[in-house]
Amino acid sequence: KQEVTQIPAALSVPEGENLVLNCSFTDSAIYNLQWFRQDPGKGLTSLLLIQSSQREQTSGRLNASLDKSSGRSTLYIAASQPGDSATYLCAVPTGANSKLTFGKGITLSVRP
Amino acid sequence: GAGVSQTPSNKVTEKGKYVELRCDPISGHTALYWYRQSLGQGPEFLIYFQGTGAADDSGLPNDRFFAVRPEGSVSTLKIQRTERGDSAVYLCASSFVHNNEQFFGPGTRLTVL
Repeated sequence: KQEVTQIPAALSVPEGENLVLNCSFTDSAIYNLQWFRQDPGKGLTSLLLIQSSQREQTSGRLNASLDKSSGRSTLYIAASQPGDSATYLCAVPTGANSKLTFGKGITLSVRP
Repeated sequence: GAGVSQTPSNKVTEKGKYVELRCDPISGHTALYWYRQSLGQGPEFLIYFQGTGAADDSGLPNDRFFAVRPEGSVSTLKIQRTERGDSAVYLCASSFVHNNEQFFGPGTRLTVL
């Protein structure tokens, strides 16, 4: 059974800092990994989808990497801003129907 | 274009009542998923539709939960005899085909009193 872990559960950093959010998964037989952002009381916003054949995917200040063999992904946020404060979740598709298995998320707070 | 929409945004009901939650996927997306998210947890899979058929309903917790997608577009999640433990945010997602990027709606917050 696929398990996805995100540690730590919460993170607080000063504005401007570069930071890395970690995600690990137990079954490396995945074909993509998706990072999401969730603001309080809101749905999930897709940030990046990284295919299993890729090692990195970039969007603006965000960069996601994927190492399938070690079961790890990282989301790098450059020059963090207070507006980046949210919960970040990673998810991997499981089974033939691609239902997503999620981590519990990392709640990020960027202090002005 | 329009994203995934869900109605209602909030639903408060009494224990034992019946509720329906609606999801409008992105136009042209054939794959539709329902998830449930409890406080402090990641979403958990409930059911997957490919077109009109429920291809995987292994995440439905019991037979009080049922979902339909009669025309391959809008989907309705139906919960009978609601219990307090059903209180959660119900999220819907769609993708062009399965194994593509999934796009989520804003969710329906269900509170069972």
